[in-house]
Amino acid sequence: GAGVSQSPRYKVAKRGQDVALRCDPISGHVSLFWYQQALGQGPEFLTYFQNEAQLDKSGLPSDRFFAERPEGSVSTLKIQRTQQEDSAVYLCASSLARGGATNEKLFFGSGTQLSVL
Amino acid sequence: AQSVAQPEDQVNVAEGNPLTVKCTYSVSGNPYLFWYVQYPNRGLQFLLKYITGDNLVKGSYGFEAEFNKSQTSFHLKKPSALVSDSALYFCAVRDWRRDDKIIFGKGTRLHILP
Repeated sequence: GAGVSQSPRYKVAKRGQDVALRCDPISGHVSLFWYQQALGQGPEFLTYFQNEAQLDKSGLPSDRFFAERPEGSVSTLKIQRTQQEDSAVYLCASSLARGGATNEKLFFGSGTQLSVL
Repeated sequence: AQSVAQPEDQVNVAEGNPLTVKCTYSVSGNPYLFWYVQYPNRGLQFLLKYITGDNLVKGSYGFEAEFNKSQTSFHLKKPSALVSDSALYFCAVRDWRRDDKIIFGKGTRLHILP
């Protein structure tokens, strides 16, 4: 596609429910990032993939958060047993560059707005 | 660890006046610095970057930013503001010697007053 696509656009979950958020990066993009953006805040780094390898997951807030990119393209961010503090916009971004080079131009999706009730 | 500070939550500028959005950074190594813009109901868009070389970098929509190593700053500027520049602006940094993650500031909302 022409850009980074994220689905669903909106997700309402009951506390304790598991959710899965999908990201379709731009075709051919090697790097893929997940960010969490709370209301009125900047994007907070969650995790980073280079192809299928998860090179950095230091930003994942707890072991309830899990991300995968099994074939080096589509990525899924899974949140188990959702809590109210998980409510945020989850942003996915992709970049053509490989790690070690300049991941300078990130292309962002429109995000998934997660509301946990 | 790298970090970014945007000291102003909001900046108001009259149309036609010059604008500055401030950013300071902290890295242990050499920084890659970026500005992104977020318009309402749209994803973040890349504006410009500093990697190396000339301290003054030019980007999209007439924006520019100046890298100042001694002050660890990377302020975003534009000589003449447009109403359409009103948006949320994010400064970001990557410590290229350490890892690939890009860290964002909390953002500055820019209001251009007609």
